[in-house]
Amino acid sequence: EVQLVESGGGLVQPGESLRLSCAASGFTFSSYTMNWVRQAPGKGLEWVSYISSSSLTIYYADSVKGRFTISRDSAKNSLYLQMNSLRAEDTAVYYCARVLGYGSGSYSGIYFYVMDVWGQGTTVTVSS
Amino acid sequence: EIVLTQSPGTLSLSPGERATLSCRASQSVSSSYLAWYQQKPGQAPRLLIYGASIRATGIPDRFSGSGSGTDFTLTISRLEPEDFAVYYCQQYGNSLFTFGPGTKVDI
Repeated sequence: EVQLVESGGGLVQPGESLRLSCAASGFTFSSYTMNWVRQAPGKGLEWVSYISSSSLTIYYADSVKGRFTISRDSAKNSLYLQMNSLRAEDTAVYYCARVLGYGSGSYSGIYFYVMDVWGQGTTVTVSS
Repeated sequence: EIVLTQSPGTLSLSPGERATLSCRASQSVSSSYLAWYQQKPGQAPRLLIYGASIRATGIPDRFSGSGSGTDFTLTISRLEPEDFAVYYCQQYGNSLFTFGPGTKVDI
């Protein structure tokens, strides 16, 4: 079964740090680009960060640039998000999500930047 | 940054009815980079449609997507009780992923 399981969330004070992890199983993790997406309480979805399969290409949303760092360890089938200088507005459920990538069949030549597998999320609360 | 606008914000319908959800982009989006997700309370989002019109694995054929350029539509032909949820469109462009604000489909 293809699965993503996040961990590492918790309650921290403003300015503190937290490291989220996402354990992948059931697929060849090293072949897939991955994303972090978050959702503040009662709000919509917000993309946070992207890392290519090789880790050579990394993107961040402006809201976290310079504070968050995405990384991956293919030997451990794991994705990480190091979050520093946390703010109240970073309070959210954080999801890791797999990017579908190249399609199959008649769509094999097309790269789809969409997220086809999601974890259940881990909650980060930033409050004093 | 491409901004996605979804309408209506809330759609109140009954089981068996047809739902038509709109997603409009502030500038042209490649159809390959347009997706729709369903999210139920307390659950992670689920991919429904990608490439603007391709159903994801396991998605019933009552869900369909269409559109191009700046205007995209998700249609649910006959609402089932399990379809009442929030639906988000998403696009990729200029090294950014953006989501629309969502449309809530409720009874």
